[in-house]
Formats: sequence, structure tokens, C-alpha cells
Amino acid sequence: GDSVTQMEGPVTLSEEAFLTINCTYTATGYPSLFWYVQYPGEGLQLLLKATKADDKGSNKGFEATYRKETTSFHLEKGSVQVSDSAVYFCALRGGGDDKIIFGKGTRLHILP
Amino acid sequence: NAGVTQTPKFQVLKTGQSMTLQCAQDMNHNSMYWYRQDPGMGLRLIYYSASEGTTDKGEVPNGYNVSRLNKREFSLRLESAAPSQTSVYFCASSDTPGTSGGWVDTQYFGPGTRLTVL
Repeated sequence: GDSVTQMEGPVTLSEEAFLTINCTYTATGYPSLFWYVQYPGEGLQLLLKATKADDKGSNKGFEATYRKETTSFHLEKGSVQVSDSAVYFCALRGGGDDKIIFGKGTRLHILP
Repeated sequence: NAGVTQTPKFQVLKTGQSMTLQCAQDMNHNSMYWYRQDPGMGLRLIYYSASEGTTDKGEVPNGYNVSRLNKREFSLRLESAAPSQTSVYFCASSDTPGTSGGWVDTQYFGPGTRLTVL
């Protein structure tokens, strides 16, 4: 079945560092891909998404590109801030499916 | 516009007790979902409802029942709570894929219910 694998955390960076969180997926057909973020004590919220190969999703300085050839959707940000400390989930939705499959999440700590 | 609301926010139960977690959304979404979140396990789907009047099992349905009361409300019931059901429970809702533009099929999450079973 469909699945998502993302790098295990926690990831600890200094403020203004470059961030990459790796995500790869297994799916039949052409899934939609997502990154969700969960701030402390809150539910998940959508950060960005991409629906077809080579699409780039972006929001709040974060970017991820849908790479079908490597089945990847890595999250990047050029300069992280303390306020980016959160848990990040990579996810996919298969074509014609109501359900979203989430990765296990990566906890990010940004030090001032 | 409250989005997705859940009650209660916190609950402590004894083994064998029952309870119902309530969820409501005011975005006129067709699909609703219940997840549990455990350390190192990410989010696992318990049950979902693609439309009013329908429910389907997710990845971890055992020990749970659901009711889609109407389009707005989707409740999760634990009939006989067990310590293994200690978790944080999230409700979510979304448009049916293909029925709207923009951020179609985005899931909107409630704030969660932290449940402890002793």
C-alpha cells in the first residue's frame, strides 16, 4: 500500500540555518503530496502542497518540490527562525482516495 | 467561523469506562476523520466518514465506534477503555476531492483531546 517515510528527528538547528527535512513516498498512480506542521499544543495545519510532478509548493518561506523520478518531496527553508520549532509531517493522498497517509513526523528545534 | 472543534480537551478514564469524544465542523465539509497520535507513531487513522450517513474503518479501528450524526458532527466512542488507548485524538474534516477549487482536499484539524486511561 501507499506509504510515506520521513527523516527521524529531532532535528536541532541554530537560528538562520538552512533546513532540509527529507521525505520519500511509495504510491501507485499520481498522488498529491503535502507538508503539515504541528505547533506545540495544537492540531496539524497545512503548510504547503503539490499535486503533480515538478510542482513546487511554498508557504512562509518553506518550499518542497514534487520529484516523481526520485519519489521525494523534501521540505526546505533557507533561514529558520525560533518560531519554526514544531513537528513537521509529510503526507500523501492517492488519486481518488479520501484518506491522507501521514509520515511519523519530524520534530524541529531552533535555538536562538 | 470556528473551523473544527473538539470536546473535551482533556479526559482521564479508568480501565473499562466508556466515553464519547465529540467533533463538529462549520465549513460544510463532506469528509470527516478521527486520528490518534502516539509518540514515534505519527498519526494513525481510526475511522473516517466520506459523507453523511457513511463511515469506514481506518488503520486502527479496534476498540472504537463512530457516529456521523449529521453533516457537521462526527463522534468517536470508546465502549470499554483500555490503557493502550491513552493517546491524543484529533478530528479533521475536508472537502470531497474535486468538489472545490483552491486548497481542495486539505484536511483541517481540531485542537485535539488528550485522553489518559488508568
